Amino acid sequence: AQSVTQPDIHITVSEGASLELRCNYSYGATPYLFWYVQSPGQGLQLLLKYFSGDTLVQGIKGFEAEFKRSQSSFNLRKPSVHWSDAAEYFCAVAPTGGGNKLTFGTGTQLKVEL
Amino acid sequence: GAVVSQHPSWVICKSGTSVKIECRSLDFQATTMFWYRQFPKQSLMLMATSNEGSKATYEQGVEKDKFLINHASLTLSTLTVTSAHPEDSSFYICSASGQEKGDQPQHFGDGTRLSIL
Repeated sequence: AQSVTQPDIHITVSEGASLELRCNYSYGATPYLFWYVQSPGQGLQLLLKYFSGDTLVQGIKGFEAEFKRSQSSFNLRKPSVHWSDAAEYFCAVAPTGGGNKLTFGTGTQLKVEL
Repeated sequence: GAVVSQHPSWVICKSGTSVKIECRSLDFQATTMFWYRQFPKQSLMLMATSNEGSKATYEQGVEKDKFLINHASLTLSTLTVTSAHPEDSSFYICSASGQEKGDQPQHFGDGTRLSIL
């Protein structure tokens, strides 16, 4: 069965510092890959997605993610974090060959210190 | 683009009442909508997949008679929590499929906080 692992439950960074959130997946083939962000009491906002092609994906709010097939990873990065980036981040995968359910990771809570 | 509206955002009601939550795709047609439940500080749990014009597909362990889902049009799906009890209190989030590859990505509403007294 497919699974998504976000090994860091909590991460704290200083404003202006770089950020990397880890995501590893277990899947029979390369799935579609997504990063979502959730602010407290809100729904999820899509940051970026990978379907195929260039393995470095640019998203909104200055985020990017790199798909590494050999490592089954899709880590999210941002070169300089802003205080408003504090939120919960979810990595998710979906099958490419039919079916459209998302499998979510457990999430990473990002705290930004001023 | 790809805006999903969910209403109401917060509802408080007495035990035994039924509550209806609406999910609308505002600027695209969504053949598939999804309903999730999220407990505090946890990830999203898929409850059911809703396809326009057909019966919803429920995940294992989700009571279909308790959580009634209707997807009457390409822009509206509703979740009705029937005879709600305090244990049904939770954050409910809907999503609608985009029109790209594999019916992805999903675009999410802002969620509904349901509190049953």
